[in-house]
Amino acid sequence: AQRVTQPEKLLSVFKGAPVELKCNYSYSGSPELFWYVQYSRQRLQLLLRHISRESIKGFTADLNKGETSFHLKKPFAQEEDSAMYYCASDSGSARQLTFGSGTQLTVLP
Amino acid sequence: ETGVTQSPTHLIKTRGQQVTLRCSSQSGHNTVSWYQQALGQGPQFIFQYYREEENGRGNFPPRFSGLQFPNYSSELNVNALELDDSALYLCASSFSGTGATETQYFGPGTRLLVL
Repeated sequence: AQRVTQPEKLLSVFKGAPVELKCNYSYSGSPELFWYVQYSRQRLQLLLRHISRESIKGFTADLNKGETSFHLKKPFAQEEDSAMYYCASDSGSARQLTFGSGTQLTVLP
Repeated sequence: ETGVTQSPTHLIKTRGQQVTLRCSSQSGHNTVSWYQQALGQGPQFIFQYYREEENGRGNFPPRFSGLQFPNYSSELNVNALELDDSALYLCASSFSGTGATETQYFGPGTRLLVL
């Protein structure tokens, strides 16, 4: 079975500092990886997916198959980045998402 | 473009009762997935419906069942409610065709409390 691990439940950084949210997955095939974000009082929404290779709101994520990781990075955190971030994988054939337990990011002024 | 909507927003039931949650998919989408999110956890896949048929199921017992209607809206039914069923239930819609997985768009969720 697929598993997605986000080792940090809480992460605090100061505004302007770099931020990295860790995500590791376990799947022997070629998964699709996603980062979803949930801002306060808003619904879960897609931040980025690895196949599109886009940078959204300054965030990037690189799929490292050797380390089975898909860490989310931003060079300069902003206060509006404070939110809950979920990493998710999809085996492709089943089209079902497996989520990690989430990391609550707080960007301090 | 109308987003995913869910009803009701909140619900309180007692153990042993049955509950039906509803989801309207986003315009143009033909696939609906349901997730359960317990407090402090990430969403957990329950099942997915495509063309009115179940198209994948997670590790949930048969008392969790669903339907998809011709207009692609969907229902999640839970029988014989247990205390552990208390959670936020999320619906997500997407378009499934040939090729890669399409993005799933989530609704606001229905918060169920079982007493």
